[in-house]
Amino acid sequence: GIQVEQSPPDLILQEGANSTLRCNFSDSVNNLQWFHQNPWGQLINLFYIPSGTKQNGRLSATTVATERYSLLYISSSQTTDSGVYFCAVLASYDKVIFGPGTSLSVIP
Amino acid sequence: DAEITQSPRHKITETGRQVTLACHQTWNHNNMFWYRQDLGHGLRLIHYSYGVQDTNKGEVSDGYSVSRSNTEDLPLTLESAASSQTSVYFCASSRISGETQYFGPGTRLLVL
Repeated sequence: GIQVEQSPPDLILQEGANSTLRCNFSDSVNNLQWFHQNPWGQLINLFYIPSGTKQNGRLSATTVATERYSLLYISSSQTTDSGVYFCAVLASYDKVIFGPGTSLSVIP
Repeated sequence: DAEITQSPRHKITETGRQVTLACHQTWNHNNMFWYRQDLGHGLRLIHYSYGVQDTNKGEVSDGYSVSRSNTEDLPLTLESAASSQTSVYFCASSRISGETQYFGPGTRLLVL
């Protein structure tokens, strides 16, 4: 099956710093989503991005489907950005495969 | 506002008991999904449904069942709870195949 890798596994940032999270996937996929799981366990949709670039405030994402990777950019990080960031790929028949996540801690 | 809810939010049960977790969405989405989240495994798909009376097995379906009698609800049943089913369970829905999935708040289940 499709393998999804994320890097780095853990990241500690000073508030205000920028960061880039990476998601690699091993085969062609129909779609890709980025999620944020906050410290209370809630899963929040960030982007639905099969290809191209999208921006939402301080966050942006780029997917290059032909090269099988996606990047999530966080600019001017805030403590509320802390949590785990997952990328998930949509393989055939809506099977969503989640990556292992990047755990982000933003310290004041 | 349309939403997706799960109940209960926390549940403690004993080995061998039948447990049902509820999932309800008000978006009128066709597709609904159940996942479990465990340390070291991330989120894994248990069952999914593309519409009323349709159910399909996911990656880790053994010991679980679902039924879809209406558009809004997809209850997940653990027929005979096992300690290995201690986990956090997430329900999700999407309008049609290939579109973004929206997740509920999760249910924490502890099987003693």
